[in-house]
Amino acid sequence: EVQLVESGGGLVHPGGSLRLSCAASGFTFSNNWMHWVRQTSGRGLVWVSRINYDGSDTSYADSVEGRFTISRDNAKNRLYLQMNSLRIEDTGVYYCVRNSWGPDYWGQGTLVTVSS
Amino acid sequence: DVVLTQSPLSLPVTLGQPASISCRSSQSLEHSDGNTYVNWFQQRPGQSPRRLIYKISNRESGVPDRFSGSGSGTDFTLKISGVEAEDAGVYYCMQGTHWPLTFGGGTEVEIK
Repeated sequence: EVQLVESGGGLVHPGGSLRLSCAASGFTFSNNWMHWVRQTSGRGLVWVSRINYDGSDTSYADSVEGRFTISRDNAKNRLYLQMNSLRIEDTGVYYCVRNSWGPDYWGQGTLVTVSS
Repeated sequence: DVVLTQSPLSLPVTLGQPASISCRSSQSLEHSDGNTYVNWFQQRPGQSPRRLIYKISNRESGVPDRFSGSGSGTDFTLKISGVEAEDAGVYYCMQGTHWPLTFGGGTEVEIK
């Protein structure tokens, strides 16, 4: 069974940093691209970032380019999102999502709240 | 960015009756490789999104056959042939043809 378990969310002040982590199991992690997707206000879904099989190619939404860094450790079956210079508008539930013909399996999400 | 417009925003449906959700794109979603990367997701209350359909009309394993996807170009549809109580939730379309990936605003299916 595919499982994706996120951790690392929390409350942070504007300008602060957080590192999200996603533990993957139930599939061969190195065979899939991976994404981070944010959900805001319980409804809107926004793609944040994606990474290829071995981490050599990454892509970001314009709103996070230069502030967020996606990475992976295939030996540990882990996906990461380093989030710096956080803004209020970065608030939301962050999902780790596997890619197979597009996003398919989603984790349960971790809540990031940016507030003063 | 590609804008996906879903309608209706809210869809009250009587048990056993059909339901249909529209997703319209601001540009064609046919990729140069010949595929059209349109997915549909279901999000039940308190749960993460679950993919129902990929590449317009391919059902995920375990998804009941009352769910079907169709469309081409810029117009796509998710249909539920006979709504069951467990189908309550928000449904999203998503396109993966053009970067960045984008999602529709969601349609809430309410069981009457």
